[in-house]
Amino acid sequence: GESVGLHLPTLSVQEGDNSIINCAYSNSASDYFIWYKQESGKGPQFIIDIRSNMDKRQGQRVTVLLNKTVKHLSLQIAATQPGDSAVYFCAENPLTGGFKTIFGAGTRLFVKA
Amino acid sequence: EAQVTQNPRYLITVTGKKLTVTCSQNMNHEYMSWYRQDPGLGLRQIYYSMNVEVTDKGDVPEGYKVSRKEKRNFPLILESPSPNQTSLYFCASRPRMGGDYGYTFGSGTRLTVV
Repeated sequence: GESVGLHLPTLSVQEGDNSIINCAYSNSASDYFIWYKQESGKGPQFIIDIRSNMDKRQGQRVTVLLNKTVKHLSLQIAATQPGDSAVYFCAENPLTGGFKTIFGAGTRLFVKA
Repeated sequence: EAQVTQNPRYLITVTGKKLTVTCSQNMNHEYMSWYRQDPGLGLRQIYYSMNVEVTDKGDVPEGYKVSRKEKRNFPLILESPSPNQTSLYFCASRPRMGGDYGYTFGSGTRLTVV
């Protein structure tokens, strides 16, 4: 498969456990945040988003938490499955700088069966 | 199905031979962008387009050209490819430049320049 990052932080979890992936964002002017999932050989896929006026948002098996005080974002995956194995990116859309999306470096999640 | 379609998926070419990677979206999005993805460097923006006939440089535009003659298409042109342009390329689109929108990405084009 495609290698999207040879030096990425990695997280290894047992199937069925919960996963927490963290991200420190850079721009205090960012008001919209997104998590993407990139499976081997594919493009990044939108998972869940959150606006800066919220501190938590839940989807199906995923929850995003936002702490604006320390500029920290996390993605929680409940009951992690083998199909969750991928690289996960956070992204921020700042209000300044031409609205250019800033992507994090990514975290590789391995799910052990 | 709403999607971004890139072609080709894989391409091996020789230094200096002009090539074009096509990108098309069927969502009527105004904003389209090209990224390259390299190990350890993440996603870096090459060029973007806010609408038809409106394009601008991203973070790593050298050696690339783009055009946006129609809303749906945003081809990436390498006039004289060099080995340092060997990379994984993604086209992406979203409804507009600002606002609460994420990207829809294409499946990627793996380019090797020898």
